[in-house]
Amino acid sequence: SQQGEEDPQALSIQEGENATMNCSYKTSINNLQWYRQNSGRGLVHLILIRSNEREKHSGRLRVTLDTSKKSSSLLITASRAADTASYFCATDAAQGAQKLVFGQGTRLTINP
Amino acid sequence: DAMVIQNPRYQVTQFGKPVTLSCSQTLNHNVMYWYQQKSSQAPKLLFHYYDKDFNNEADTPDNFQSRRPNTSFCFLDIRSPGLGDAAMYLCATSGTRKGYNEQFFGPGTRLTVL
Repeated sequence: SQQGEEDPQALSIQEGENATMNCSYKTSINNLQWYRQNSGRGLVHLILIRSNEREKHSGRLRVTLDTSKKSSSLLITASRAADTASYFCATDAAQGAQKLVFGQGTRLTINP
Repeated sequence: DAMVIQNPRYQVTQFGKPVTLSCSQTLNHNVMYWYQQKSSQAPKLLFHYYDKDFNNEADTPDNFQSRRPNTSFCFLDIRSPGLGDAAMYLCATSGTRKGYNEQFFGPGTRLTVL
């Protein structure tokens, strides 16, 4: 069953603007992760936020987690053309299985 | 550099002709995964190995099999590819450090079925 749902499905902004993507999930989690996928390539891990954390930063990335609402957001500040990619959230079950369930992804386009 | 390698990057096969995709890793990770990803969709887990223990997803068709002869290598066998099996196949690995199970992906193999 689908764990993560993301919105928007597609987002197009101008270079330099901030991009925000949201992810919702259904069950308890250990952590939530965000991945980037450039067209035709594998996924690249961006950031992991644990269930007891509320906010995390990494460079131009800011991730928030609200476990009461079962939702997370990824903010990319000062976007660049190279940020054009699909972004997926992924959650693991709190039972500790070594599996991730990916959301449907947000396709981000940065226009120069 | 430690990495996950997939070969070939592009594979063309004929309907019903068995095909094998390979994955190798230099990360010495315990867990290896195979995902299927179709256009504009999320990666879908087919199965994973925790060391030598094979874990199949309930909805993975019997047509898909996997082998892990050693820590470094893992293979995906599609016994009789159908047109619906055309997709990107992604291999990933992860360690078992508790609470930090980020996955490291290979570049993928794009499978075309004629």
